Amino acid sequence: DAGVTQSPTHLIKTRGQQVTLRCSPKSGHDTVSWYQQALGQGPQFIFQYYEEEERQRGNFPDRFSGHQFPNYSSELNVNALLLGDSALYLCASSHRGSLNIQYFGAGTRLSVL
Amino acid sequence: GQNIDQPTEMTATEGAIVQINCTYQTSGFNGLFWYQQHAGEAPTFLSYNVLDGLEEKGRFSSFLSRSKGYSYLLLKELQMKDSASYLCAVNHSGYSTLTFGKGTMLLVSP
Repeated sequence: DAGVTQSPTHLIKTRGQQVTLRCSPKSGHDTVSWYQQALGQGPQFIFQYYEEEERQRGNFPDRFSGHQFPNYSSELNVNALLLGDSALYLCASSHRGSLNIQYFGAGTRLSVL
Repeated sequence: GQNIDQPTEMTATEGAIVQINCTYQTSGFNGLFWYQQHAGEAPTFLSYNVLDGLEEKGRFSSFLSRSKGYSYLLLKELQMKDSASYLCAVNHSGYSTLTFGKGTMLLVSP
């Protein structure tokens, strides 16, 4: 049973560029959440997708957008990259029938130069 | 706003017991979670408390007091592999989204 998978594992971009990160949820899960984790900090919630709609959003600017596909996989897009966007981006999946426990992928390490 | 506090660092000796505390102030409460995160790896789920009391799972136990906004994670018979960051997180929205503390870095020494 494959867990949550994310791609790519590492990414280097320059300021002003755009980036797309991808996530496949754990088998049987229908909900995908994205988090940003800065070095030495806990993950911060960006947004959550359920039934292909953004269901909830954290305190992140509109430069951060996402999408969920019919197979429940998801993308995170960040436009106009800033140096401060450098972080580990984590995807987590869950299913409402499983106590809403979130299972995390290994993340994508984004470096903005 | 939501506020979750936990110590930044703790050290302990192999074979010992360690307790990591977490206090929270959130606008709602639908459960408290503990995750373990090794450097460069994904957070992995350890425990979940929604009612007051102690939940035990092998070497790990977690306690919750909702009236005090307080939880702790207890690790027994510490092993070197337990050296990791331990994240306390609260589900306060009714969905599965989590608000995390900054994490407690635990270092287990021989």
